[in-house]
Amino acid sequence: IAGITQAPTSQILAAGRRMTLRCTQDMRHNAMYWYRQDLGLGLRLIHYSNTAGTTGKGEVPDGYSVSRANTDDFPLTLASAVPSQTSVYFCASSETGGAGQPQHFGDGTRLSIL
Amino acid sequence: DQQVKQNSPSLSVQEGRISILNCDYTNSMFDYFLWYKKYPAEGPTFLISISSIKDKNEDGRFTVFLNKSAKHLSLHIVPSQPGDSAVYFCAARSNYKLTFGKGTLLTVNP
Repeated sequence: IAGITQAPTSQILAAGRRMTLRCTQDMRHNAMYWYRQDLGLGLRLIHYSNTAGTTGKGEVPDGYSVSRANTDDFPLTLASAVPSQTSVYFCASSETGGAGQPQHFGDGTRLSIL
Repeated sequence: DQQVKQNSPSLSVQEGRISILNCDYTNSMFDYFLWYKKYPAEGPTFLISISSIKDKNEDGRFTVFLNKSAKHLSLHIVPSQPGDSAVYFCAARSNYKLTFGKGTLLTVNP
């Protein structure tokens, strides 16, 4: 079934450790996004990529980095995890970043930083 | 400063009745508005969208209304079904990026 795959589905991590959340899509979408969802705050954009080879900062980029080496993969890296990064992380994609293009979401990664 | 606001954290309606979910925004540069539905332990699912140049868009049981002068949009679900019980997010687009509201938990009682 075509869609977005996120891995792992959940993870408990010690503070200070490095962690990469994986995201792969098989829809050949050009644009990809990373969001975090926190209780009472909705979804907030961390980083995005309008096409392979380009990335941009969203609303809450600090402490996170991304890369877009190819169309299908968009990993999110926490270089040194902190407890405030405990959240549910969603990856999304859309055909382009253009008007009316809905974003399709993965099922999320639940990350707990201790 | 929250640019997209969903002021009702929750809403409860009877099966068969109308559900009305509301959303307000402050940024006049938003050019597209979308509604997403989210079940627990799943990612958000796109429901319906509307361009800023329109005032209504309908898709089956779902209708979105946009009032640009009031910077307000609403999602109507008629008739509501128990399977509609979920968190609904309003989102607004500007510069290819989406800004989400905090969500409204809709419960449809049988």
